[in-house]
Amino acid sequence: DSGVTQTPKHLITATGQRVTLRCSPRSGDLSVYWYQQSLDQGLQFLIQYYNGEERAKGNILERFSAQQFPDLHSELNLSSLELGDSALYFCASSVESRGEQFFGPGTRLTVL
Amino acid sequence: AQSVTQLDSQVPVFEEAPVELRCNYSSSVSVYLFWYVQYPNQGLQLLLKYLSGSTLVESINGFEAEFNKSQTSFHLRKPSVHISDTAEYFCAVSDNAGNMLTFGGGTRLMVKP
Repeated sequence: DSGVTQTPKHLITATGQRVTLRCSPRSGDLSVYWYQQSLDQGLQFLIQYYNGEERAKGNILERFSAQQFPDLHSELNLSSLELGDSALYFCASSVESRGEQFFGPGTRLTVL
Repeated sequence: AQSVTQLDSQVPVFEEAPVELRCNYSSSVSVYLFWYVQYPNQGLQLLLKYLSGSTLVESINGFEAEFNKSQTSFHLRKPSVHISDTAEYFCAVSDNAGNMLTFGGGTRLMVKP
């Protein structure tokens, strides 16, 4: 158990819908990262927050957005969902904005 | 920008045999290097890391990796594998600002009895 929690574990929804994925980092970790794992794209970095502020952005679609709240939990919002958004979404956290990252168990999103 | 290449998508091996999972990276800046393991239907677990210092790093379950700057490699080795080592292994790199991990495509290690 890494100490990073993610909810929900599974999510099934339809095209065009909007969903919110939630992540709670390890106690004391200020940095939260979001990654997408799919069969065709592999593991890709989406976005990073550090102590409430956006720190880095990767291959994140404009339909996706994220935020980190004062209690340091983070949410990833995915809207206008398409079939190709079906993937495993991981959250990771680290103490600072460097060094090793600890991953949560992931949220499996299925878009039908 | 960085990139990571894992040369083998699958590595079948018999139990108690040695194994090497290959990883090469490309970067124009100094990097940190990591190996993560993903067991079926689970998240990623950090196996070992190279941040600085000794180029040979070891994990608690017998894996080791050596950072070779001249060959830009970070191959993972284990002298004797167990059935329980069956999993997908990901090599990853970050710059020393640590803002993001760039992953390789993964290597599926299949240990056979």
